[in-house]
Amino acid sequence: QQQVKQSPQSLIVQKGGISIINCAYENTAFDYFPWYQQFPGKGPALLIAIRPDVSEKKEGRFTISFNKSAKQFSLHIMDSQPGDSATYFCAATVNTGFQKLVFGTGTRLLVSP
Amino acid sequence: DTGVSQDPRHKITKRGQNVTFRCDPISEHNRLYWYRQTLGQGPEFLTYFQNEAQLEKSRLLSDRFSAERPKGSFSTLEIQRTEQGDSAMYLCASSQGAAALVTEAFFGQGTRLTVV
Repeated sequence: QQQVKQSPQSLIVQKGGISIINCAYENTAFDYFPWYQQFPGKGPALLIAIRPDVSEKKEGRFTISFNKSAKQFSLHIMDSQPGDSATYFCAATVNTGFQKLVFGTGTRLLVSP
Repeated sequence: DTGVSQDPRHKITKRGQNVTFRCDPISEHNRLYWYRQTLGQGPEFLTYFQNEAQLEKSRLLSDRFSAERPKGSFSTLEIQRTEQGDSAMYLCASSQGAAALVTEAFFGQGTRLTVV
């Protein structure tokens, strides 16, 4: 019940295309859902996050769509660029006052020029 | 302040040896976390400090692992009698928060441990 399932495992998108990564969870107590971007040899960096009281959040080219009833959320990267090539992790946490994040298994995104 | 700093970046050790990693959080961040990331997986929570108090420990943290955060500043993670299964990236993160507020956690670049 603590798992966050992420798909696909890898994704190849052409430059300018839309990258879509999906996550699903079981624990209805989760109430904070961040997405992290990780480049090789680096730690994860927060990209965008959403709380379940909204269905969508957009920051620049990155959008989170959230479906509370289906317990699913997704990351959309519009106008994907080669510099977006990285591994993306969805995560979830219960708001107990600290970030005991449960991460998905990651999606390796490659944006071809 | 340039972010969360971890040292060393890489560590190769023989099975059975003890290792210690250091994490310097962003100054004034009162919350500090350790996570472990194995190849091809997402990070897994290990432990959490609020100031100098260790408030949560994962079941992943066996009795060979110990973490400290003296004076609520830097933190150390020690692994005793290392095993090959300990090979992973050990990530430190910090955040600033009060009460039940969830705030952004900033991760360091990690320490990659290889046990041979």
